Amino acid sequence: GAVVSQHPSRVICKSGTSVKIECRSLDFQATTMFWYRQFPKQSLMLMATSNEGSKATYEQGVEKDKFLINHASLTLSTLTVTSAHPEDSSFYICSARDLSGRTTTYNEQFFGPGTRLTVL
Amino acid sequence: DAKTTQPPSMDCAEGRAANLPCNHSTISGNEYVYWYRQIHSQGPQYIIHGLKNNETNEMASLIITEDRKSSTLILPHATLRDTAVYYCIVRVPTTGNQFYFGTGTSLTVIP
Repeated sequence: GAVVSQHPSRVICKSGTSVKIECRSLDFQATTMFWYRQFPKQSLMLMATSNEGSKATYEQGVEKDKFLINHASLTLSTLTVTSAHPEDSSFYICSARDLSGRTTTYNEQFFGPGTRLTVL
Repeated sequence: DAKTTQPPSMDCAEGRAANLPCNHSTISGNEYVYWYRQIHSQGPQYIIHGLKNNETNEMASLIITEDRKSSTLILPHATLRDTAVYYCIVRVPTTGNQFYFGTGTSLTVIP
């Protein structure tokens, strides 16, 4: 199957700083990527849909000025958590869809390994 | 919002079949059912998906009822490595084809 990577895998930062998380599709082009957040012992919550070359679509309740998403190429989307606070500490996961049909039969999302963010 | 309900947890003996149920009573005719699993602190892994017919692949089988209001994921011979949280997802066929995860079933395979 298709491979999606995330960097960094783990980050610790001070309150008030900004953190950038990268999501890359390694062997396919992804016109659409998704960002999720997962708190301990909870399910994944969709934050936003990222489309290459256009603005991201945010889910209700997700602050677009706080979680900046850029999808400048077909293999890279970035999520920047601006002015991070302890309540932003979470597991952030991205996924990507391969529309070429080469690695998927129909619309599966391929997930990255996740990034553990801890804000002190 | 998630359109599925699953039992929060299940146990299964190693080597036996694990049958994980999912209710999706409000599913529409063109909505697919997907199953993913998540091993602790990793990204979810695709297992299988289906629309109407039963499906089988190298990992699992998916049985969808005739009215499509529920489905069952079957792991034919569960191993300890199958211990994970299993998510049943109804994919909404909007422009973005987003996935909305429910609470999932935590499956524990017991030696």
